Amino acid sequence: GIQVEQSPPDLILQEGANSTLRCNFSDSVNNLQWFHQNPWGQLINLFYIPSGTKQNGRLSATTVATERYSLLYISSSQTTDSGVYFCAVETSYDKVIFGPGTSLSVIP
Amino acid sequence: GAVVSQHPSWVICKSGTSVKIECRSLDFQATTMFWYRQFPKQSLMLMATSNEGSKATYEQGVEKDKFLINHASLTLSTLTVTSAHPEDSSFYICSAIKLWHNTEAFFGQGTRLTVV
Repeated sequence: GIQVEQSPPDLILQEGANSTLRCNFSDSVNNLQWFHQNPWGQLINLFYIPSGTKQNGRLSATTVATERYSLLYISSSQTTDSGVYFCAVETSYDKVIFGPGTSLSVIP
Repeated sequence: GAVVSQHPSWVICKSGTSVKIECRSLDFQATTMFWYRQFPKQSLMLMATSNEGSKATYEQGVEKDKFLINHASLTLSTLTVTSAHPEDSSFYICSAIKLWHNTEAFFGQGTRLTVV
C-alpha cells in the first residue's frame, strides 16, 4: 500500500518563528489534506490541497503531486499552534491514509 | 458548514460488554464514512470504510465480528465494539465525505473508550 512520511517528527519553536513541515507519499494520490490535532484530539481541517498552493492567514500549503510531496508553512508561530500536524492522502481506492504526524511545540 | 458529531465523547465499560459509538453528519449528507483508531502518541489507523446501505469494508487485521459497523442512512454510521477487552481501549474517530462534493474529509471529535 501507499506509504506516507512526515518530517520532522518533532519540532520545538520559539514563539514568532517560522517553520516548514513536509509530507512525502510513495504513490499517486487523488487528494491531500493537512490537519491539526488539538490536545483534546479534535482534528481541524487546515487545507484540502491535491495540487498547487493555498494560503489561510499565517498558514500556507503547497502540493507538488508530480513529485509526491506537500509542504505546510507556519509563519509567526503562536503557542496555540502547538499540537500534532497530520497530512492525509486519498488513495485510488478512496481510502484516506494518515502520515505519522509532526508534533509541534511552540514555547513563549 | 461541515459538522460531524460523535457520541459519546468518552465511555468507560466493563470487559465483556458491548459499546456503540455514533457518528452523525449534522449539516450534510455523507456518501462515505470512515472509522479510525488512534493509540496514544500514534497516528490514525483506518479501520473500515462504510457506505450507506452497503456492508463496510474492513482493513486487513481488523476483526469484522468485533467491530460492527452499520451505515443506516446518509447521516449516521455506528461502530459497535463487541465483547470489549482492555486492549480495545483507544481513541476512535469517524470522518465523513459530503455527497456530491469533493472528497474532503471532515472529522468528529472522537470517542475515548476505556475498558476496565
